[in-house]
Amino acid sequence: DQQVKQNSPSLSVQEGRISILNCDYTNSMFDYFLWYKKYPAEGPTFLISISSIKDKNEDGRFTVFLNKSAKHLSLHIVPSQPGDSAVYFCAASVGYGNKLVFGAGTILRVKS
Amino acid sequence: DAGVIQSPRHEVTEMGQEVTLRCKPISGHNSLFWYRQTMMRGLELLIYFNNNVPIDDSGMPEDRFSAKMPNASFSTLKIQPSEPRDSAVYFCASRTDGYSEQFFGPGTRLTVL
Repeated sequence: DQQVKQNSPSLSVQEGRISILNCDYTNSMFDYFLWYKKYPAEGPTFLISISSIKDKNEDGRFTVFLNKSAKHLSLHIVPSQPGDSAVYFCAASVGYGNKLVFGAGTILRVKS
Repeated sequence: DAGVIQSPRHEVTEMGQEVTLRCKPISGHNSLFWYRQTMMRGLELLIYFNNNVPIDDSGMPEDRFSAKMPNASFSTLKIQPSEPRDSAVYFCASRTDGYSEQFFGPGTRLTVL
């Protein structure tokens, strides 16, 4: 049973528009969430994170929103650029610094 | 500064053969993780070590899989005997205690024929 779900296997967006990647979780004990980006033939790299005491965290073009009541988080990329084309993984942990549970990933394609 | 190093990058083997994947974590990191990525299940945690000691191996699929960390700078993941369903990309990651962010290696793409 997957505790972290990314229900959209892929997403295609026009350059300059907003990309919204979604993630749902089932374990109410999760209180720290991360997004990783992965290019082909490379390992995932950390992108942005959020603690459950917040509902939003922003870093440049990337913003993560957390809705604890819905057990849902989303990653917004504005504006989207072709270099953002990658696989995006959502991850969660119970407690900061504990093991991460990853979703299956969403392939983002940004068209120029 | 070198990141996490994994070898080999690609491995093709026949069913029944032993496969050994290797990982060198970032110097100074004291936690090491082995993951497997498949299309169906995404990134699954297989096992993780803290200070060279296995802490959680609940993700290891079966007895054919084993992992060791003989010292702070080296870990192996062994599959014996290998099966076609083991075909996947295997990642190693490391981090420092007190931080949540893990640093991943480039992965080993394993194909079992």
